[in-house]
Amino acid sequence: ETGVTQTPRHLVMGMTNKKSLKCEQHLGHNAMYWYKQSAKKPLELMFVYNFKEQTENNSVPSRFSPECPNSSHLFLHLHTLQPEDSALYLCASSQDPTGGALGEKLFFGSGTQLSVL
Amino acid sequence: GQQVMQIPQYQHVQEGEDFTTYCNSSTTLSNIQWYKQRPGGHPVFLIQLVKSGEVKKQKRLTFQFGEAKKNSSLHITATQTTDVGTYFCAGVQASNTGKLIFGQGTTLQVKP
Repeated sequence: ETGVTQTPRHLVMGMTNKKSLKCEQHLGHNAMYWYKQSAKKPLELMFVYNFKEQTENNSVPSRFSPECPNSSHLFLHLHTLQPEDSALYLCASSQDPTGGALGEKLFFGSGTQLSVL
Repeated sequence: GQQVMQIPQYQHVQEGEDFTTYCNSSTTLSNIQWYKQRPGGHPVFLIQLVKSGEVKKQKRLTFQFGEAKKNSSLHITATQTTDVGTYFCAGVQASNTGKLIFGQGTTLQVKP
């Protein structure tokens, strides 16, 4: 276990459903992230939170809505998704935000495999 | 914008053969990280390289960071079936956008 827990592991939803993905980190980290992993594509950064403040929104459609109530919890609220949104959604955390000269390594959760029908 | 390209996309090797994946950035990087994702799993951090020309080893894995800090490689000596998975490089642009940009990954299959 990496110390980053994601639920649910699998989710199937219709295009009109509303669902939420949950992430919890037990590492005392200050930064949390949502990544999207689709087949044959690089990991795509979606959102970054630093000390529970959003510092990055990587041009993500509004049907994805993140929420970070504290430094340990991160949610991704999903509404009226499209079939092309089917992917593995990975949560990650790091001690501090990545980008410093020395870098920060990411600890990933196991992901939620999302299928939109 | 910054791009990080990895080649090859897929590699099949016989157990015992060596394997190398290459990572190239369009811009100078301040550091580069490598992750491994087992089939059905999530990316796990392997190592970080910071200095120009740096070489680090982890048992059968050798990581290099180019002199110009624009490329990197991961070499596995005498592959084993436990090496199966996708290897990702990820770099931070030296001009400080603050983003860790991932390559597409190289998927390694090892035939016993």
